[in-house]
Amino acid sequence: ETVLTQSPGTLSLSPGERATLSCRASQSVSSSLLAWYQQKPGQAPRLLIYGASRRATGIPDRFSGSGSGTDFTLTISRLEPEDFAVYYCQQYVRSPPAYTFGQGTKLEIK
Amino acid sequence: EVSLVESGGGLVQPGGSLRLSCVASGFTFSIDWMHWVRQAPGKGLVWVSGINGDGSNTRYVDSVKGRFTISRDNAEDTLYLQMNSLRAEDTAVYYCVKDGGYANFDVWGQGILVTVSS
Repeated sequence: ETVLTQSPGTLSLSPGERATLSCRASQSVSSSLLAWYQQKPGQAPRLLIYGASRRATGIPDRFSGSGSGTDFTLTISRLEPEDFAVYYCQQYVRSPPAYTFGQGTKLEIK
Repeated sequence: EVSLVESGGGLVQPGGSLRLSCVASGFTFSIDWMHWVRQAPGKGLVWVSGINGDGSNTRYVDSVKGRFTISRDNAEDTLYLQMNSLRAEDTAVYYCVKDGGYANFDVWGQGILVTVSS
């Protein structure tokens, strides 16, 4: 089973700063099958990034994804007040078929 | 507008059953993989089950195999999750989710709460 480990658990930053969130897989993951989500309190998650680096429809360009193999990164170039939320990475493994999420990184206002 | 609306949640005793429904609109339902993802109170996201467009291929997380059954009615644009032998650890908000085509989840319902308790 491929485990996704996100770091840090909590990230405290101020609006306008740059945020860098990490997602590390226990074994190599296909970049085309790595995604990032944002979840705000009381809301359903929202797809931000798929294929490791492709922004989903309507996602601002301050959000970017990168990485390959076992190390992936979500970067928010300049934090807006609405960006403070929990972020999850997610991957799919074909054999045996399984979809797994990281445990999440909480991005909070400093 | 693409929309997923869940129903059927509620309080059930341990060992009981519940069936969740999810009505889809705004896209060609019969083409896409559909999934259920759950989130226990204060916890992270867990994929539960998925089904392909024509219903011929289903997948489950190990913890629900043999207890949960996913199905779909493409004539009614509706996804189901039949949950039997429910346990306290199945307590969660259950989300109906559309597959974005790259094994990711691009449209989410608002979620429905299932509470398993005596």
